[in-house]
Amino acid sequence: SQTIHQWPATLVQPVGSPLSLECTVEGTSNPNLYWYRQAAGRGLQLLFYSVGIGQISSEVPQNLSASRPQDRQFILSSKKLLLSDSGFYLCAGSRRTEQFFGPGTRLTVL
Amino acid sequence: SQQGEEDPQALSIQEGENATMNCSYKTSINNLQWYRQNSGRGLVHLILIRSNEREKHSGRLRVTLDTSKKSSSLLITASRAADTASYFCATDSYNFNKFYFGSGTKLNVKP
Repeated sequence: SQTIHQWPATLVQPVGSPLSLECTVEGTSNPNLYWYRQAAGRGLQLLFYSVGIGQISSEVPQNLSASRPQDRQFILSSKKLLLSDSGFYLCAGSRRTEQFFGPGTRLTVL
Repeated sequence: SQQGEEDPQALSIQEGENATMNCSYKTSINNLQWYRQNSGRGLVHLILIRSNEREKHSGRLRVTLDTSKKSSSLLITASRAADTASYFCATDSYNFNKFYFGSGTKLNVKP
């Protein structure tokens, strides 16, 4: 079965600091990969998706970037965090029609 | 935007009652899916219904789809306290498997 690993589970960072969240996939090859952000009590906002190594599509212009250096690795980054980057970040993968999600990272920017 | 929107935003029922959640979307879809999210966790896939299907069952879950109204409903029968969670519908695009999630229905099942 497919599994998404995400770390860390929680992260507190000061404004202006860099960010790197990593997501790895187990149990499938060549998946589509996604980064979502979820504000408290809200739905999921699609940030980036990738259909293959080095292929990144951005859904919403913002202070974040994504990279896919390997088939099963997806990284979310920022050079300088803003207060508005706080939220719950979810990595997801899909092979066909169903998405499978990681446990999420709760990011608080102070 | 294709984004689905769930209604109601919150629902509180007694254990044993049925829970019905609705989802509306804006554009044509391939499939519509329902996911569950326990507080502070990732989402778990519940059920998928294709655009050419009208109804689907899985255990205590029943999903309907009305493409003419661009709406879907999720019925959980004989609810349990363990069903307490947020429920999201998601629609997909015809290319690259992009998914659009609604804002969710927060279900509270009281024991």
